[in-house]
Amino acid sequence: SYELTQPPSVSVSPGQTARITCSGDELPKHYANWYQQKPGQAPVLVIYEDSERPSGIPERFSGSSSGATVTLTISGVQAEDEADYYCQSADSTGTPYWLFGGGTKLTVL
Amino acid sequence: DVQLVESGGGLVQRGGSLRLSCAASGFSLSSHNMNWVRQAPGKGLEWVSYISTSSKTIYYADSVKGRFTISRDNAKNSLYLQMDSLRDGDTAVYYCAREAHAPHWGQGTLVTVSS
Repeated sequence: SYELTQPPSVSVSPGQTARITCSGDELPKHYANWYQQKPGQAPVLVIYEDSERPSGIPERFSGSSSGATVTLTISGVQAEDEADYYCQSADSTGTPYWLFGGGTKLTVL
Repeated sequence: DVQLVESGGGLVQRGGSLRLSCAASGFSLSSHNMNWVRQAPGKGLEWVSYISTSSKTIYYADSVKGRFTISRDNAKNSLYLQMDSLRDGDTAVYYCAREAHAPHWGQGTLVTVSS
């Protein structure tokens, strides 16, 4: 079955750039969204349609797409960015299923 | 402001039933397809069910098919999830989410299935 693959963890020091990838064969055909989730809180949309940033999300969050991989980039990482990040896209069957990556734990050292 | 507020979660025995509600405000529910997504303790996000604006098209994850029923009342601006034959594996926080270019989620409601 079709899956979205994320690295389980990424670690960066404050002020550095964090890149979190999400890979899936169908990603060239469908947009991807990115969610940030802090402990005990609901997921928050940080990037939609591969590279669009919702209002209220800091400019240091950006998204890009290249072939079968989408990337969430956090420039100038801050301690408050430590969280789990999930990519989400459409299923490969043409139905409106939401498919999620397994999540990436971002640790700010 | 767009808001989605889930309710109806709680503690239920294995094999029991529960009905979740999602109240929408700040927008017309009738204009949006809707989803339920869940997250088991310490686990990732799992899509559960989808319903189109008119309720004509409905989908379920295989893990809940035949046990859960999604519905909506556009006049009441509300979305529902009827959960029957609950299992231990259904223990999770359940979120309702509005389908859109920029999806919007509620804060979730916790469902705990106990033996």
